[in-house]
Amino acid sequence: GQSLEQPSEVTAVEGAIVQINCTYQTSGFYGLSWYQQHDGGAPTFLSYNALDGLEETGRFSSFLSRSDSYGYLLLQELQMKDSASYFCAVSPAAGKLIFGQGTELSVKP
Amino acid sequence: NAGVMQNPRHLVRRRGQEARLRCSPMKGHSHVYWYRQLPEEGLKFMVYLQKENIIDESGMPKERFSAEFPKEGPSILRIQQVVRGDSAAYFCASSPPGGGTAFFGQGTRLTVV
Repeated sequence: GQSLEQPSEVTAVEGAIVQINCTYQTSGFYGLSWYQQHDGGAPTFLSYNALDGLEETGRFSSFLSRSDSYGYLLLQELQMKDSASYFCAVSPAAGKLIFGQGTELSVKP
Repeated sequence: NAGVMQNPRHLVRRRGQEARLRCSPMKGHSHVYWYRQLPEEGLKFMVYLQKENIIDESGMPKERFSAEFPKEGPSILRIQQVVRGDSAAYFCASSPPGGGTAFFGQGTRLTVV
């Protein structure tokens, strides 16, 4: 089967850096994605890693280590608007996404 | 280029009625996925469809739930004889031919009373 583990909640202050970890177990692996969701709205794609290493997109970076079945999302220069739920998701097969339970990020002034 | 369109945004049904949720993928996208999200939980994969084909329905309950993506028109997720436990947000996502990043719609909030 497939399973993902990520912290349920994280709190940080404006301007800080926060890292959200994700470990996974899956029978197949195409890649690890990260999505942001505000107040139960549409999940928004943030980043995708198919190969080991770091992917950087503006203030957001994502890292993958396939040998460790581990990845993380790094958010820099935190802003109040970054308060949201963040989901990691693995693709065990082409097109299919298995989501973690989500991490609730609270950014404080 | 309109995003993934879902309707209705909110749907209220009495127990035993049928619910029909619609999803129009982004222009040029031929892959559609349906996910269900309960409050305070992650999204659970239900089904993956291409035009006129169900590719993976491993997440669909065996009874009462069905999905289609016809040659013309939107994808439909159909829930027959709804029960209170079906109350959830149902999200549709689409991706281009060959796979790639999935983009989500705003979801349909189903409430069964």
